[in-house]
Amino acid sequence: QKEVEQNSGPLSVPEGAIASLNCTYSDRGSQSFFWYRQYSGKSPELIMSIYSNGDKEDGRFTAQLNKASQYVSLLIRDSQPSDSATYLCASYASPAAGNKLTFGGGTRVLVKP
Amino acid sequence: NAGVTQTPKFQVLKTGQSMTLQCAQDMNHNSMYWYRQDPGMGLRLIYYSASEGTTDKGEVPNGYNVSRLNKREFSLRLESAAPSQTSVYFCASSEDSSGVYGWELFFGEGSRLTVL
Repeated sequence: QKEVEQNSGPLSVPEGAIASLNCTYSDRGSQSFFWYRQYSGKSPELIMSIYSNGDKEDGRFTAQLNKASQYVSLLIRDSQPSDSATYLCASYASPAAGNKLTFGGGTRVLVKP
Repeated sequence: NAGVTQTPKFQVLKTGQSMTLQCAQDMNHNSMYWYRQDPGMGLRLIYYSASEGTTDKGEVPNGYNVSRLNKREFSLRLESAAPSQTSVYFCASSEDSSGVYGWELFFGEGSRLTVL
């Protein structure tokens, strides 16, 4: 079982709708979580980070964290064709766990005009 | 501002050949990383360097070696390439890796390696 799990997709959403991406993690010691966006053939770029339970909003993006359920999600409101990309979830545990980011396999999102 | 620069961008090797991937960052970051990305596998850490003068193994270090040449440069060497090392390799850097908040990674453009 991978430490960070994501549905590979593709998640197909109509333009203007909300895209909802989910990520679960197995290490209860995970302390911080990140969402990276990766366009096809390009490198990942950080779009959101979240460290405490609850919601964190940044523009059209909202990250949600529930440590009790070991669940983190990303909502993309008013989805645009330019949001079509693969979204990578990553978690950081602690130095004792290897002091590294662990990435999920990514969810491909396709926004249709 | 170049950020993280990797070379070469594309390389084809035959089994058993060796090569070095070069990486340099101009953001004065302390920590540098090498990842590989395979379809459906996400990013897997090969090696990282938390600071100049130190290197540590990641999840998949077998078949690779690294050198942190100075604060700017971190190279990845394949001594005897195997088809299983066909992948896209990303170098990344971060300001530091010492705790919960130091994990915004800045990635290079990637190096696509094919081993025949």
